[in-house]
Amino acid sequence: EPEVTQTPSHQVTQMGQEVILRCVPISNHLYFYWYRQILGQKVEFLVSFYNNEISEKSEIFDDQFSVERPDGSNFTLKIRSTKLEDSAMYFCASGRDSSNQPQHFGDGTRLSIL
Amino acid sequence: AQKITQTQPGMFVQEKEAVTLDCTYDTSDPSYGLFWYKQPSSGEMIFLIYQGSYDQQNATEGRYSLNFQKARKSANLVISASQLGDSAMYFCAMRGDQTGANNLFFGTGTRLTVIP
Repeated sequence: EPEVTQTPSHQVTQMGQEVILRCVPISNHLYFYWYRQILGQKVEFLVSFYNNEISEKSEIFDDQFSVERPDGSNFTLKIRSTKLEDSAMYFCASGRDSSNQPQHFGDGTRLSIL
Repeated sequence: AQKITQTQPGMFVQEKEAVTLDCTYDTSDPSYGLFWYKQPSSGEMIFLIYQGSYDQQNATEGRYSLNFQKARKSANLVISASQLGDSAMYFCAMRGDQTGANNLFFGTGTRLTVIP
């Protein structure tokens, strides 16, 4: 069964550095998402992406964040000037269409800012 | 705006018994979707079951069923014949109610522990 893959599984970075989290969505999916889960808290929506542009973003997704689909398969989340509070699990998800079909999540990237 | 509430931070169930995890929601959109995800200790998010607001019947997927009570705005997850592997966090989620917004809003989760 096709799945969403995320790399790396764990990223440790010094505060102030830039990180790029990578995702390969399911191949026939058109909608892509990033979510964040701070340790012990609920999953929070960051951004959705469709047709090569951002379709929706939350208040969390400020100028520090950006997303890109550099080629036909990868979907990346870039975090600039990382802060301690950016430490979290970051999930990529993809969906086939805009209806109520489930979003399929990757296994996440655990980001630790030191 | 939409809101998801899970009032049970933790639940215990005896192996082979059934358990119900509560979820209530609030939305002004007549069309919406409700989802349940399982998060084991390893951290991944596993889709379990989906219920559409216009679905006439409660959703079922194997040992998972959804007790959907639209008038009460509740979408409780029922797990039958609990197994030790069911021990995990369970999140209820709702699709956004704004046109074109398909992001999910999650509840705070319920930690289920299955006792042998």
